Amino acid sequence: KNEVEQSPQNLTAQEGEFITINCSYSVGISALHWLQQHPGGGIVSLFMLSSGKKKHGRLIATINIQEKHSSLHITASHPRDSAVYICAVQASGSRLTFGEGTQLTVNP
Amino acid sequence: DAGVIQSPRHEVTEMGQEVTLRCKPISGHDYLFWYRQTMMRGLELLIYFNNNVPIDDSGMPEDRFSAKMPNASFSTLKIQPSEPRDSAVYFCASSRLATNNEQFFGPGTRLTVL
Repeated sequence: KNEVEQSPQNLTAQEGEFITINCSYSVGISALHWLQQHPGGGIVSLFMLSSGKKKHGRLIATINIQEKHSSLHITASHPRDSAVYICAVQASGSRLTFGEGTQLTVNP
Repeated sequence: DAGVIQSPRHEVTEMGQEVTLRCKPISGHDYLFWYRQTMMRGLELLIYFNNNVPIDDSGMPEDRFSAKMPNASFSTLKIQPSEPRDSAVYFCASSRLATNNEQFFGPGTRLTVL
């Protein structure tokens, strides 16, 4: 079993839909990261959180430390949100362990 | 700031050749990370440095891989000799402890070993 499990692996939505991507992990962590990788390959850090909730524009990330679970929500999804979303946990030191990613496609 | 800079962006080489990938972190960042991304294994940490000192190299696959950080503004990842299974995208990222170590990624180097 991987230390970081994401679901779903693939997600197709219609423009405007509310989207949720889930991440579960099995180790104690100091922080959890959500990353976005666009079709061109570049990786952008969206959120880093260790408790509660963070919001940036249409993106919301939540984490439940007791349940070892995090969710990334996208409100009013848009085709430009199409990308791979990667969850990563920071356990010891600054080392990140990554999930396999969720491929999101938003159709117009 | 220009962000994390990596070179080359693409590298095609033949098996057995030496490959050197380069990274310039964001100025003022005290952590530097090297990652590898493949279809089979996804993103993996290879090694990271803090203040130019290697902290965790447990992800370096074998002795053919080596990484150096001679100063705060430059790091290299070397593969010698290269093998086809080393074909991947190699990312460099940097972060600063003062901002909770949010990592900023470079554009990556796509390596193809024939």
